[in-house]
Amino acid sequence: SQQGEEDPQALSIQEGENATMNCSYKTSINNLQWYRQNSGRGLVHLILIRSNEREKHSGRLRVTLDTSKKSSSLLITASRAADTASYFCATDPDYGGSQGNLIFGKGTKLSVKP
Amino acid sequence: DAGVTQSPTHLIKTRGQQVTLRCSPKSGHDTVSWYQQALGQGPQFIFQYYEEEERQRGNFPDRFSGHQFPNYSSELNVNALLLGDSALYLCASSLAWGSGAFFGQGTRLTVV
Repeated sequence: SQQGEEDPQALSIQEGENATMNCSYKTSINNLQWYRQNSGRGLVHLILIRSNEREKHSGRLRVTLDTSKKSSSLLITASRAADTASYFCATDPDYGGSQGNLIFGKGTKLSVKP
Repeated sequence: DAGVTQSPTHLIKTRGQQVTLRCSPKSGHDTVSWYQQALGQGPQFIFQYYEEEERQRGNFPDRFSGHQFPNYSSELNVNALLLGDSALYLCASSLAWGSGAFFGQGTRLTVV
């Protein structure tokens, strides 16, 4: 079963705008990760945030984590047409330590129009 | 560094047949996980191999089995294929628990 729920399911913006995607999850976690997938191909790891971190940056990406609300957000600033893809959050659930399996949400489909 | 490689990229099988998918992990990675991604869904964890042993397993029937070789490469076997097994099968490798995973491009399996 899927742990995470991304919101919105689909997002369409203009190039240069910011894109924000949200993720909610159900259980305690060791970390939360965001992945990008182009056209049903392999997933690309974007960023990992640990349960004791609240915010993390990587280039144009900013991720926040609120463990009290069991939610995370991914912000892509100054979006480009090449950012068009599906974005997934994945949790590494804490069952008394990392078990190594990731639980994915259904993803947000982002479309960036030139 | 070749990253994670999977073969074949596409496969068409008939109901009831058996299939074997292959994965070579990123150089230096010793842990391999397999995921099934149905159309429009997120990936679902099938199982994970470490030191040639199945370490974790998701909610998949025994028709799904795997193997890891001494060079860390891995195979996913599915027996008695069903139409519902049609999906993108993704292999991911990682160096340690709690680190990001590197995914291959996947094998698109179609069962007819």
